[in-house]
Amino acid sequence: QVHLVESGGGLVKPGGSLRLSCAASGFSFNDYYMTWIRQAPGKGLEWVSYISSYSSDIYYADSVRGRFTISRDNAKNSLYLQMNSLRAEDTAVYYCGREASNSVGYYLDYWGQGILVTVSS
Amino acid sequence: QLVVTQSPSASASLGASVKLTCTLSSGHSNYAIAWHQQQPEKGPRYLMNLKSDGGHIKGDGIPDRFSGSSSGAERYLTISGLQSEDEADYYCQTWDTGIRVFGGGTKLTVL
Repeated sequence: QVHLVESGGGLVKPGGSLRLSCAASGFSFNDYYMTWIRQAPGKGLEWVSYISSYSSDIYYADSVRGRFTISRDNAKNSLYLQMNSLRAEDTAVYYCGREASNSVGYYLDYWGQGILVTVSS
Repeated sequence: QLVVTQSPSASASLGASVKLTCTLSSGHSNYAIAWHQQQPEKGPRYLMNLKSDGGHIKGDGIPDRFSGSSSGAERYLTISGLQSEDEADYYCQTWDTGIRVFGGGTKLTVL
């Protein structure tokens, strides 16, 4: 059974940093792309970043490029999101997700339960 | 620019059927999408992957009441025999190399 569990969230001041982790189990982690998505309070879903199986392809949304860094450790079945220069507008629940692939590309097929990040002074 | 558009809200009666729509932007009518459900105060759940020919692959444990179909740039999610727990936000999502895109979501109310 696929499980994705985020950790590392919390309250941080504007300009501060935080590192999120996502522990994966129940599948062969290094066979899958992984992604981060966030949801600001009362708002819709926003894609943040994705990383390919062996980290050769990494992409970011414009809103976080240059401030956030995605990475993974396949030996530890873990996904990370290093968030620097945090702003109030980064306040959101952050979800990690697994991306399966088929003939039409990569699609998000499992979600973690989410972790809250609050940026406030 | 790759965009998916959804109506903000929909409603239908208990036991009835409802069809939600996701529209792909111009030039992207052959793209596949995924549908995700988010019940109140819960995280999202993957429902299905839906191709331009209407072929779809549902997630684990998704009931037969949920089905998908396509026509041109439109992708549909049909829920039949509506139950109270179907009241939720429904998001469509698409993708291309270097980008993942979510629609704004449709809030479904079960009357």
